[in-house]
Amino acid sequence: EPEVTQTPSHQVTQMGQEVILRCVPISNHLYFYWYRQILGQKVEFLVSFYNNEISEKSEIFDDQFSVERPDGSNFTLKIRSTKLEDSAMYFCASSLIGELFFGEGSRLTVL
Amino acid sequence: AQSVTQLGSHVSVSEGALVLLRCNYSSSVPPYLFWYVQYPNQGLQLLLKYTSAATLVKGINGFEAEFKKSETSFHLTKPSAHMSDAAEYFCAVTLAYGNKLVFGAGTILRVKS
Repeated sequence: EPEVTQTPSHQVTQMGQEVILRCVPISNHLYFYWYRQILGQKVEFLVSFYNNEISEKSEIFDDQFSVERPDGSNFTLKIRSTKLEDSAMYFCASSLIGELFFGEGSRLTVL
Repeated sequence: AQSVTQLGSHVSVSEGALVLLRCNYSSSVPPYLFWYVQYPNQGLQLLLKYTSAATLVKGINGFEAEFKKSETSFHLTKPSAHMSDAAEYFCAVTLAYGNKLVFGAGTILRVKS
């Protein structure tokens, strides 16, 4: 069964460092998303991406965040200068028409 | 803007008992509604979805949910809880496919033996 895969599963970084989280969506999907879940809190929408551009972003998704689909298969989330409060589980999701399929998540720990 | 409210951050039931997890939505247009389950240290797995067809929706693992427009509710039920049902359950809403999903705060289900 096709699935969304995310790497790394866990990354520890120092405050101020750049982080790139990678996702391989399901191959025929058209819509791509990043969500995050701070420990013990709800799943929050960050950004959606369609037709090679951002279709919607939340207020969380400020200038420190960017997304790319560099090669038609990977979908990346970059955090330019990490802060302590960026520590969270980051989920990638993709959809064709219908429900979102989520990856297993990348846990980011900022020290 | 759309939103969902999940009543009860923790629900505890005995094995074999009825599971009822509550979700109320707010939406300016007819919504699409979903229930996802998250097992510890795992991603989000779709349990079921409502897309304006039948109001009673059956999902995986014996779960079902009923869309009630008059009550703006989409409660999740299972007639008989199993130990393996212990997880966190999220209700989510979107206005259209391709749009963002908005999640509720989640309900942690504990199943006692």
